[in-house]
Amino acid sequence: EDKVVQSPLSLVVHEGDTVTLNCSYEVTNFRSLLWYKQEKKAPTFLFMLTSSGIEKKSGRLGSILDKKELSSILNITATQTGDSAIYLCAVDGSSNTGKLIFGQGTTLQVKP
Amino acid sequence: DGGITQSPKYLFRKEGQNVTLSCEQNLNHDAMYWYRQDPGQGLRLIYYSQIVNDFQKGDIAEGYSVSREKKESFPLTVTSAQKNPTAFYLCASSAKVGSTEAFFGQGTRLTVV
Repeated sequence: EDKVVQSPLSLVVHEGDTVTLNCSYEVTNFRSLLWYKQEKKAPTFLFMLTSSGIEKKSGRLGSILDKKELSSILNITATQTGDSAIYLCAVDGSSNTGKLIFGQGTTLQVKP
Repeated sequence: DGGITQSPKYLFRKEGQNVTLSCEQNLNHDAMYWYRQDPGQGLRLIYYSQIVNDFQKGDIAEGYSVSREKKESFPLTVTSAQKNPTAFYLCASSAKVGSTEAFFGQGTRLTVV
């Protein structure tokens, strides 16, 4: 059975800290891995990763995929209170249906 | 503005009732999805549709039904057969089959009273 596992499930840090969120997966037909940020309601798209070893960056956020280890990390440097959210990892392991398998999410709280 | 609209934001259901959650998108997306989110369990796929008049069961379809009569609309009915319907429901769409960046609506929180 395809599955995606995130760790840790929750994390509390202080502003300015750097955090690393982990996502590991077991799927039959890997196509891509996606990261979403969910603050209150709708998850918003952060990154889509398809190739190993190529880091994608957006400001203080960066993510990289390791297909050999079947995993991805999401780094957030110099955290701010606005980074507090649930971070969701999802994998497309479908045969062209676009179905995403989501992990449990990591709840990040950044304290002032 | 283009986007996905879910309604209502909050919904209360009595035992034995069927309720329908609305999802409309004006992004001209082919594929639409319904997910359920429970605390500590991430998002689980209920149903998805790749094209009008066609839909498939996801991982937790029991107690739910959908229709896709129009490209823009993908309503979800939570039937009385769903024994534990209290959850946060998210609708999503993606541009085409195989396009994996999904866009989400704001969600509907359903509570059984």
